[in-house]
Amino acid sequence: NAGVTQTPKFQVLKTGQSMTLQCAQDMNHNSMYWYRQDPGMGLRLIYYSASEGTTDKGEVPNGYNVSRLNKREFSLRLESAAPSQTSVYFCAGRPTGVTEAFFGQGTRLTVV
Amino acid sequence: GIQVEQSPPDLILQEGANSTLRCNFSDSVNNLQWFHQNPWGQLINLFYIPSGTKQNGRLSATTVATERYSLLYISSSQTTDSGVYFCAVDNTDKLIFGTGTRLQVFP
Repeated sequence: NAGVTQTPKFQVLKTGQSMTLQCAQDMNHNSMYWYRQDPGMGLRLIYYSASEGTTDKGEVPNGYNVSRLNKREFSLRLESAAPSQTSVYFCAGRPTGVTEAFFGQGTRLTVV
Repeated sequence: GIQVEQSPPDLILQEGANSTLRCNFSDSVNNLQWFHQNPWGQLINLFYIPSGTKQNGRLSATTVATERYSLLYISSSQTTDSGVYFCAVDNTDKLIFGTGTRLQVFP
């Protein structure tokens, strides 16, 4: 969807390595989200940010950290990757809490 | 937290058939959206519909907020409708997804 850009699109990590998934939006969204989607399953909320400088845990936050340093960007960090974190990660944004959310194209992460 | 259930989990149709997908949620909501995830994994916005009825071409959706459910109707299905359909709801700022309905449309 236009306006929410995720990088990288694909990544392979070795167990124990760290990395940061980047998400940027140009639609002036206040709220931003990180989800993971495992094969054959729905999307589960990892962390979200209702506004610049604030973050809150979602359904599955363990093993992740996030940073919302400015309104445009919301990053997701894996400090020590584990095979259980192999998944597709989606970032989303929306203007306020009571409006439509828009998703990025996803990042496919494999941890070996 | 709010629970979201979708039914049926799987649906197989022949091209031209109609279908109804259901989303039940456990609490009152401020936001409800329907998404289509295509075979390439992209999430496409279909409807933002916290209440009422909307139509877009062959697709329409109805949300009855007081009874905590939403329905997505697909008429005259096409092979390009294949994929997974998700509803997502929230009553705070957490947008929570259902488990989805996987639709396969055959020619």
